[in-house]
Amino acid sequence: EVQLVESGGGLVQPGRSLKLSCLASGFTFSNYGMNWIRQAPGKGLEWVASISSSSSYIYYADTVKGRFTISRDNAKNTLYLQMTSLRSEDTALYYCTTVAVWGQGVMVTVSS
Amino acid sequence: DIVMTQAPLSVSVTPGESASISCRSSKSLLHSNGITYVYWYLQKPGKSPQLLIYRMSNLASGVPDRFSGSGSETDFTLKISRVEAEDVGIYYCGQLLENPYTFGAGTKLELK
Repeated sequence: EVQLVESGGGLVQPGRSLKLSCLASGFTFSNYGMNWIRQAPGKGLEWVASISSSSSYIYYADTVKGRFTISRDNAKNTLYLQMTSLRSEDTALYYCTTVAVWGQGVMVTVSS
Repeated sequence: DIVMTQAPLSVSVTPGESASISCRSSKSLLHSNGITYVYWYLQKPGKSPQLLIYRMSNLASGVPDRFSGSGSETDFTLKISRVEAEDVGIYYCGQLLENPYTFGAGTKLELK
């Protein structure tokens, strides 16, 4: 079964850091570009970052550029999102996705 | 950034009837390779988005053939024939032609 499972979310104070992980299974992870897409409570979908299959190409939304870092470990079938200098507006459900397959999402709440 | 505009924002449909959702992009989504990079997703209540249509008119695996996608370079339509109770949720169009990937605001489909 093709599956993406996110972890690492939680409640964090503004200005602090958090690292999300996404474990892939059921497909050849190293063949696929990967993305983080988030959804604030009651809102629509917002693309956050993308990384190519070999990590050669990386892109960020302007809203997170310089604060978030996307990376992957193909040997571990895992995608990461390192988030620093978190703001209240980063509060959202974060999805790991190939764009065809989506994880269940992990909640990040930034609040004092 | 490419802006994706969906209409209507909500639609109420009698089971068994058909429904259409429109999406317009601010820029052509036709790549030089001949592929049009518009995708359609359904987010059922409390669930992750699921891919319905990829590259404008291709039905994703496991999606009923009641769903179909069509369009031009900038105007796109998702049609649902014979709407069923399981089709309730929010439909999003998205462009994956270029970063930043962007999505429409969503169309909420309800049953009458």
